[in-house]
Amino acid sequence: GENVEQHPSTLSVQEGDSAVIKCTYSDSASNYFPWYKQELGKGPQLIIDIRSNVGEKKDQRIAVTLNKTAKHFSLHITETQPEDSAVYFCAARNTGNQFYFGTGTSLTVIP
Amino acid sequence: EAGVAQSPRYKIIEKRQSVAFWCNPISGHATLYWYQQILGQGPKLLIQFQNNGVVDDSQLPKDRFSAERLKGVDSTLKIQPAKLEDSAVYLCASSLTSPHQPQHFGDGTRLSIL
Repeated sequence: GENVEQHPSTLSVQEGDSAVIKCTYSDSASNYFPWYKQELGKGPQLIIDIRSNVGEKKDQRIAVTLNKTAKHFSLHITETQPEDSAVYFCAARNTGNQFYFGTGTSLTVIP
Repeated sequence: EAGVAQSPRYKIIEKRQSVAFWCNPISGHATLYWYQQILGQGPKLLIQFQNNGVVDDSQLPKDRFSAERLKGVDSTLKIQPAKLEDSAVYLCASSLTSPHQPQHFGDGTRLSIL
């Protein structure tokens, strides 16, 4: 099956700085890579996603890059704000439509 | 649109008791997932339904866990008997079947086993 690794497990940044979270996956057939933000007591919420035929996607302060050859993808948050503080999960979906999640990154934005 | 609804939000039981969770997916979403999220970890897929059929239940501990989606809409997940290691948040998610469709999660049921 698919194996998704995520780093770092914790990340602290000053407000206004950028944050980068990286994930690697093992199944070269995986074709869809969403990122989720999970706040305390809530379910994961999709914040951005990327398909395997695209190298980069941006939505305001959030961007995701995908390197299919190296089998890694990254989340970039620019101009971080305190409300960005949460746990972020990457995921990879295989051709069987199953999703495999990383272990999460706890992001703290310091005002 | 209404999101994925789950109940109850919290449940506390003693080991060896049974418990059931309910999920109502987003209207029109044929695919339904149940995940187990242990504190500090990412969600782990337990079972995936396509309409009322099981697509994947390879990680479901079938000696104690069961799930059904009889009419292809609502779903229930049951644990009987519960063990201490079952303490976790149980998340339900749904999605459209078309390729590259994202999952939408409910807020989960937090289960504590005493």
